[in-house]
Amino acid sequence: GAGVSQTPSNKVTEKGKYVELRCDPISGHTALYWYRQSLGQGPEFLIYFQGTGAADDSGLPNDRFFAVRPEGSVSTLKIQRTERGDSAVYLCASSLDGESTDTQYFGPGTRLTVL
Amino acid sequence: GDSVTQMEGPVTLSEEAFLTINCTYTATGYPSLFWYVQYPGEGLQLLLKATKADDKGSNKGFEATYRKETTSFHLEKGSVQVSDSAVYFCALKKSNTGKLIFGQGTTLQVKP
Repeated sequence: GAGVSQTPSNKVTEKGKYVELRCDPISGHTALYWYRQSLGQGPEFLIYFQGTGAADDSGLPNDRFFAVRPEGSVSTLKIQRTERGDSAVYLCASSLDGESTDTQYFGPGTRLTVL
Repeated sequence: GDSVTQMEGPVTLSEEAFLTINCTYTATGYPSLFWYVQYPGEGLQLLLKATKADDKGSNKGFEATYRKETTSFHLEKGSVQVSDSAVYFCALKKSNTGKLIFGQGTTLQVKP
């Protein structure tokens, strides 16, 4: 079946602009996660949704970052007033029900470059 | 806070050599432990996992045993292949949260 998909695959923007990154999880998965991966580092957690609600947003670095999942399926990560330090690969993952032993399936990522 | 530490890379081996990639963790309670792999040009994939102490996860010839006494989850393979060349990430997940906490990754290069 289809895996997690993310669009766009690449996004180049200028400092100060607003960007939206989209994630389509595996059908039927109730849990959805966003991570950020800088070059040479492991992914860092940003936010976790259980259904439509954000169960844990402790990883969002500041109030320029916001994510929604209005119908419990597709999610959008929104970044306002982008900064060069926001450049990274943004990864989305989904899992069946968010249990601790649940496997998270990752998408291919969106590479964001802020000039 | 909770964290994962992996051995520094890159690790360069000849085909059919024995592989060990060390991973240790710091966490309260009893986390689940995971190894993910990222092949060149591809996304992160789960390689194996273990959910409680003394469990052994295995897949594609790779193994790792959850050692609570040493807080370790070292990845091993008896005979590596060129196709195993990738970046390997160790990660933990606590029972009361959805987030995975990753190590920094270890690059493995296998030469023919």
